[in-house]
Amino acid sequence: GESVGLHLPTLSVQEGDNSIINCAYSNSASDYFIWYKQESGKGPQFIIDIRSNMDKRQGQRVTVLLNKTVKHLSLQIAATQPGDSAVYFCAENMGTGGFKTIFGAGTRLFVKA
Amino acid sequence: DTAVSQTPKYLVTQMGNDKSIKCEQNLGHDTMYWYKQDSKKFLKIMFSYNNKELIINETVPNRFSPKSPDKAHLNLHINSLELGDSAVYFCASSQVVQVRLPNTGELFFGEGSRLTVL
Repeated sequence: GESVGLHLPTLSVQEGDNSIINCAYSNSASDYFIWYKQESGKGPQFIIDIRSNMDKRQGQRVTVLLNKTVKHLSLQIAATQPGDSAVYFCAENMGTGGFKTIFGAGTRLFVKA
Repeated sequence: DTAVSQTPKYLVTQMGNDKSIKCEQNLGHDTMYWYKQDSKKFLKIMFSYNNKELIINETVPNRFSPKSPDKAHLNLHINSLELGDSAVYFCASSQVVQVRLPNTGELFFGEGSRLTVL
């Protein structure tokens, strides 16, 4: 995942619009990628995952896109709702027997009603 | 039923003290973790245990000593607390099917333990 700057990147969207959260990962050997959502005062929760042999995966209102050429991951949320407001993390599994998942810096999503 | 539970939720203590955070998972997973989240929300892996054995120690100071009495528990003891230890500590678990294969499972996190060192 990408760790940039001193501040948590923020994305502000209008309720009902689509949201796109981007992430750059660091290790070419990573073969499993996951998006997590963290609400205030809680632990991160799994949203969707994708393996390196795929470039797109869809869930309910969420889509993850993987571009291995440029080591880029994105999370698209359709029809964003106030309940989607949270910090979103991309994570990569480093392939070391599966025991090490590295998190990106996170993006805070604000949904305006 | 809470899948991954950690206690205490809040911990305020003085520099130099020793404290422990406990974690239990009832998911039947074979792997447990400790992550540290700083004030900028950056989540950093500290330790990973598989079937009670230490697998990953991410250059964490010796003052941090994890202990896994069984597969369902992973406790974190911290000696000689420093100001920089102030953070939220998250316990997590997952089911890693087999060593040397890519992880097939998501991480299940506890609610976090906020440690404040004064």
